[in-house]
Amino acid sequence: EAQVTQNPRYLITVTGKKLTVTCSQNMNHEYMSWYRQDPGLGLRQIYYSMNVEVTDKGDVPEGYKVSRKEKRNFPLILESPSPNQTSLYFCASSLSRQGAYEQYFGPGTRLTVT
Amino acid sequence: GENVEQHPSTLSVQEGDSAVIKCTYSDSASNYFPWYKQELGKRPQLIIDIRSNVGEKKDQRIAVTLNKTAKHFSLHITETQPEDSAVYFCAATPTGGFKTIFGAGTRLFVKA
Repeated sequence: EAQVTQNPRYLITVTGKKLTVTCSQNMNHEYMSWYRQDPGLGLRQIYYSMNVEVTDKGDVPEGYKVSRKEKRNFPLILESPSPNQTSLYFCASSLSRQGAYEQYFGPGTRLTVT
Repeated sequence: GENVEQHPSTLSVQEGDSAVIKCTYSDSASNYFPWYKQELGKRPQLIIDIRSNVGEKKDQRIAVTLNKTAKHFSLHITETQPEDSAVYFCAATPTGGFKTIFGAGTRLFVKA
């Protein structure tokens, strides 16, 4: 089944404790992206990747890191999480290396930083 | 920077009525305009999209119109049903670009 998966689905952590949210897709998609969703703000793009080893900042990259060592995986890293990073996070992938095509979203990761 | 404004933030309609959601974008280089539906507790899913070389696109009860001159695009849902209740997001992506800018979302309630 073609899909985007994220792990964990729920995470409660404390300020400053490094964490990684994994994202994997099995559709051989070139483009992958991370978004955060906050009430009243919609989906805001954190980072995106056009291909292996090629990543760039979205609108809200501060406090996040990403890597794209393999085509199928695009982990999101929070080196020192803070309470303002409490949010619902979605990973997405798209066939084209450009963003101008349908994006397939993962199930979401709800992160709480205390 | 680029932004997409979406209105209204909340929309309540009676079953069978039409619903219209409007978006305005700032980057004139945008050429791809998707609409995503997000049901409660679920992931966003594409319902329809339009490119800048097309003015209107329909798919059964949903349609999208684009006015590039005014930098507006709208989602139209006819004969609304309770299962249309969800949050709808518009988005814009520039030509040859990689960033996707989403609107803040519209929560649609369809009353039976």
